[in-house]
This record gives sequence, C-alpha cells and structure tokens, in this order.
Amino acid sequence: AIQMTQSPSSLSASVGDSVTITCRASQGIGNDLGWYQQKPAQAPKLLISAASSLQSGVPSRFSGSGSGSDFTLTISSLHPEDFATYYCLHDYNYPLTFGGGTKVEIK
Amino acid sequence: EAQLAESGGGLVQPGGSLRLSCAASGFTFSNYYMTWVRQAPGKGLEWVASIRRDASGKFYADSVRGRFTISRDNAQNLVNLQMDSLRAEDTALYYCVRDGGYCVSASCYTALDYWGQGTLVTVSS
Repeated sequence: AIQMTQSPSSLSASVGDSVTITCRASQGIGNDLGWYQQKPAQAPKLLISAASSLQSGVPSRFSGSGSGSDFTLTISSLHPEDFATYYCLHDYNYPLTFGGGTKVEIK
Repeated sequence: EAQLAESGGGLVQPGGSLRLSCAASGFTFSNYYMTWVRQAPGKGLEWVASIRRDASGKFYADSVRGRFTISRDNAQNLVNLQMDSLRAEDTALYYCVRDGGYCVSASCYTALDYWGQGTLVTVSS
C-alpha cells in the first residue's frame, strides 16, 4: 500500500499569514491526490482534487500543486475560519491512504 | 443537495458484529461510487472501503479486509458496512461518503465530496 507522509503535523500561524503543507507519497502517484479540511466536531470537506483542481465554492486562497510523489497545499492568506486540520488523500489505486494530518492553529 | 445519513452504530463487545447503514438522498445514487471512512477518537482519517456504482467491485483497507463487507442497494439508495470480528481498534466514528469522482481525458480522480455526520462504533467489553 502507498504511504502518505504529511508535514508538519502542526503549525501555528496568524491571520493573514501564508502557510504551506506538504504531502509525500511513498511512490509516484501522478496527480492522484486530494486535500481535505476538517474542523472540530465536523465532517471533512473536500478542497482540492487531482492535486490542483479547486472544488466549487472553495476560496481561491487555497491552492494545490505537485505531481509524482511531492505535493503541497498552500493557503495564501489565512482567514479565521481556516484554522482546522488538513489531510491529503491519494487515489492512485486501492487501498486509498490519507496522510496523518496537519493541524493549523492560531498563533 | 446530496445528503447522507448513517445509522447502526453502538457499543459492541470484541469479536461481535455490527451493521452500519447509510441512506442517501438528493442525488442519483446509482451513478456514484460510495465509500466509508473512519476516525478513531482524537486520531486522523482512515479510508475503510469503497464500492463501485453497480457493486461489481469492492475495495477494502488491509486493516479490515476479511472482516468487513461493503454492499449497496441501488433501489433503496442504501450503502451498508457489515462489520464482523470487531476489535478494540475498530472503535471510531464511521463516515459514509459519496465519491464524486470524475475523469479528464484518460485520467480519473476520486473526489469525496459529500460526507454524512458519522455514526459512532465502540468496541469494548
């Protein structure tokens, strides 16, 4: 099974900061990667699929990039509602695998 | 809008069984793969199983293969997860998820676009 290593596991940032989260696959997965946001006591929400395709309704401050085995999620200017945990998910083949998550906290 | 409502969670002893159900509405159920994702208390997300539109293919995480069975009823807009030989490590909130996957040219992508609120499974004696 493909392993997804996400970093950092947590970070502290201020409103307005730009943050970058990375996800590395244990093998090449093309651009078969999605990003999900989860707020406390809520179900996850799809942000990005196919590594860089923004889901309808997701603010443009979110962007994804990468291909092969290295991927990034960037939030260009943090809003208060962006403090949450973010997960990557590869869909190259089954079994699908999530990264361990990155908790974005308020500094 | 698509809605997913899980049911069937509860407390079960190790070695026991439980059957989760998910009722779908607001979309043409038979057009979508369906997926179960779980989250242990205070932990990250874990993909559990997925099923093709016509149930011709079923896929499982290594941690549940041979113990869990995913199924669907397209006439009733239901997807189920039969969980047998349950272990303490299966304790989690189980989410039913629609896979709004799509294809661009020759490439197809998963997009877990609608999630239920989850049903809690606790395995404990």
